[in-house]
Amino acid sequence: DAGVIQSPRHEVTEMGQEVTLRCKPISGHDYLFWYRQTMMRGLELLIYFNNNVPIDDSGMPEDRFSAKMPNASFSTLKIQPSEPRDSAVYFCASSLDVLAGGADTQYFGPGTRLTVL
Amino acid sequence: GNSVTQMEGPVTLSEEAFLTINCTYTATGYPSLFWYVQYPGEGLQLLLKATKADDKGSNKGFEATYRKETTSFHLEKGSVQVSDSAVYFCALSAFTGGGNKLTFGTGTQLKVEL
Repeated sequence: DAGVIQSPRHEVTEMGQEVTLRCKPISGHDYLFWYRQTMMRGLELLIYFNNNVPIDDSGMPEDRFSAKMPNASFSTLKIQPSEPRDSAVYFCASSLDVLAGGADTQYFGPGTRLTVL
Repeated sequence: GNSVTQMEGPVTLSEEAFLTINCTYTATGYPSLFWYVQYPGEGLQLLLKATKADDKGSNKGFEATYRKETTSFHLEKGSVQVSDSAVYFCALSAFTGGGNKLTFGTGTQLKVEL
């Protein structure tokens, strides 16, 4: 398997623009997680899905952020409008269902480095 | 709530030195414990894990033992290499009723010099 795939790897945009980050989880994984990493705040969980359904979005910073998972092999994280303080590395991760006998290990993608000017 | 505390970095060592990175946790129930490693410009990778008390996780010369009595999961390596330079994250996984969420420490940067 190719692992978790994220695109783009780097994104530079101007304040006010819409940004869409994409993630393809490992095939067969039931859970998908979106994280944000900054020097100031470390690694933060934004939202996670189970079988394409959002389970906990309490980490989403504000209404400008939204995430969708239209099918088991694709998820998006959208920021509209973007602001300079959104500059960070955004990671997607996936895992198997623990209750189905899977491991609780999360597998991370390479991340998208977002810069908002 | 669940939390993980790990020693602040950066930790700077000479090659072949002994490494310890301390990690303690607070959790209800019986969490699984992890060490993840992040190399520059990359995502996090699982380094090792332990799922119950007294388990020892090991990989690539790194070891950590799940100590329930001290709520600790310290990372050790007997002889570090320059290639071990990275950021190390301690984490715990606890079932929340809606799935397993990872709670991460703040990360400890390790720099290994020749």
